[in-house]
Amino acid sequence: DAGVTQSPTHLIKTRGQQVTLRCSPKSGHDTVSWYQQALGQGPQFIFQYYEEEERQRGNFPDRFSGHQFPNYSSELNVNALLLGDSALYLCASSLGYRTSGNTIYFGEGSWLTVV
Amino acid sequence: DAKTTQPNSMESNEEEPVHLPCNHSTISGTDYIHWYRQLPSQGPEYVIHGLTSNVNNRMASLAIAEDRKSSTLILHRATLRDAAVYYCIPDHYNQGGKLIFGQGTELSVKP
Repeated sequence: DAGVTQSPTHLIKTRGQQVTLRCSPKSGHDTVSWYQQALGQGPQFIFQYYEEEERQRGNFPDRFSGHQFPNYSSELNVNALLLGDSALYLCASSLGYRTSGNTIYFGEGSWLTVV
Repeated sequence: DAKTTQPNSMESNEEEPVHLPCNHSTISGTDYIHWYRQLPSQGPEYVIHGLTSNVNNRMASLAIAEDRKSSTLILHRATLRDAAVYYCIPDHYNQGGKLIFGQGTELSVKP
């Protein structure tokens, strides 16, 4: 049973460019969340998708957007990249929306470097 | 969101038990307490979670105080592979799936 898979694992972009990161949730999971983790910090919640809609959002600007597909996979898009967007981007999946007490599974992340 | 307080770092010797404390005095009655850990250069990994009773699984035990204002993650025999940052996270019932990570406790294990 494959867990949460993310691609690409590493990428380098230039300031002002746009990036798309991809995530496939754990089999059977229908809810996908994205987190940003800067070096030396804990992960910060970006947003959560369920039934192809954004359901919860953290304190991130509109440059961060996402999408969920009918097969539950998801994309994170970041426009107009800033140097400060350099971080590890983590995808997490779970079953059910706003259901506390569920186990949440994380992928290994996508390392984004903005130069 | 409930606030948590954890020691910044702890040390343990290999094959000895480790008790990782967490204070979450503002937790509400329906918030689960989750513990995740993150090994270097990896995504967070689920360890254990509970609501009111103590919980055990193959990785660890979770002891929850009777007033639920604190909890302790217990690793019964630390191994080198347990060296990681451990996060204690209350999971608000109305925000299930939205985990608020603090700074966590960096656990180092000495051979």
